[in-house]
Parts: sequence; structure tokens; C-alpha cells
Amino acid sequence: AQKITQTQPGMFVQEKEAVTLDCTYDTSDPSYGLFWYKQPSSGEMIFLIYQGSYDQQNATEGRYSLNFQKARKSANLVISASQLGDSAMYFCAMRERAWRGSTLGRLYFGRGTQLTVWP
Amino acid sequence: GAVVSQHPSRVICKSGTSVKIECRSLDFQATTMFWYRQFPKKSLMLMATSNEGSKATYEQGVEKDKFLINHASLTLSTLTVTSAHPEDSSFYICSARDWGIEAFFGQGTRLTVV
Repeated sequence: AQKITQTQPGMFVQEKEAVTLDCTYDTSDPSYGLFWYKQPSSGEMIFLIYQGSYDQQNATEGRYSLNFQKARKSANLVISASQLGDSAMYFCAMRERAWRGSTLGRLYFGRGTQLTVWP
Repeated sequence: GAVVSQHPSRVICKSGTSVKIECRSLDFQATTMFWYRQFPKKSLMLMATSNEGSKATYEQGVEKDKFLINHASLTLSTLTVTSAHPEDSSFYICSARDWGIEAFFGQGTRLTVV
């Protein structure tokens, strides 16, 4: 079974609008972490936001927020007030056994969503 | 945030030669480093995990003798693609962890074997 599922190969949004990128995950581990990364055409992976499985509140980082619904095993990324520079590939990822200090746990990546922001 | 430096960013080599890619953590000690390969418009595929001072753990299907990984110190890991062939052409990217939660990525290396 896929650990991370991103069902939207491509998304389009107009500048200044909000957009939600979907991500669902599959794990039986009670301790895990969820990540979102942005990959522009240059290839670098830019860390955007992190949500721990025990975090009570949804993570937010500037224009990025993570809509964490634990029972549904979903971790959607919401980008508010989209900008042209937000056009990129976005990857959702998960690490199991994610407690601080653990060296275990590789990242599992989804297939990504290509976001295009138009003027 | 923490910085991971990967070098070179682009390399073109002749078929049959070897290429070394370096991954350095600049301001933290990387207890674990990961090497990924990415095909165009595809997700990242984990190749191997390395912990400083021990042998790398390779994912199933990844040839250990072809993709040599050395994690000699807490700040440096290298990936050597030996006897490269055109099918090895790809984007290779490393990431590093300290004791924190985040995984920091290098800038990636675009390898073209001609």
C-alpha cells in the first residue's frame, strides 16, 4: 500500500487566491511526522511545513497551513494568497517514529502535485 | 534553517567513467544522510541511508557496487556512480538529519552520461 497518496497531478490557481493540495497517508505507527516540500524547476527541495502526529493544533508557517485530520489520515496543504512564485511541484512526505532524537525513519514521498499560478 | 550543500550541481561524464557527488551539512552534524534519485516529473526514490561511520543501507534494487556511498564524517557523505552509463543519467539529491525533526536537502546534482 502507498504510504503517501497525492491524487492531484496538477492544480491551477489564480494569483491571490487560496489553493488546497491534497495528501493522505497510511501508517500504523502512532508516532509520525508529516512534511510538505516545494520543488521549483531548479530541483532543490524547499521545506515548507511540518506536522507531528501528537500535535494538537494545525501547523502554520506564513501563507502555508496544514489541515491535519488525523482520523481521516489526511494532511492537506493550504496556500493562501497564491503568488506567481508558488508555481512548482509540491511533495507531501511522511516519516514514521518521528520523535525528536530518533535517527530512524526515512521519508516516504507522494508523487507530487504540479501547481501552476496564473495572473 | 540548516544548510546542506551538494556539489556539483551539474555534471556531464563519458560512459564508463566514475562520478563523485558530495553532500555536506554546513552548520549541523548530520547523524543520518539519505541519497535519492529522481526521474523527470517523478517522485523521489530513496537509494540508500547512511549513518556516520557505518556501511550504508541500500534499498531493494539499488546496486551497491554501482552506487558507492561513503559517510566518513558527521558533515560529509559522498555518492560515487561507478562505470556510469546513459541509463544512470538522472537527478540525484541528498538530505541530512540531525537529532531534530526536519530533513534538509541539498540542491541536487543533474548527472548526464554521454
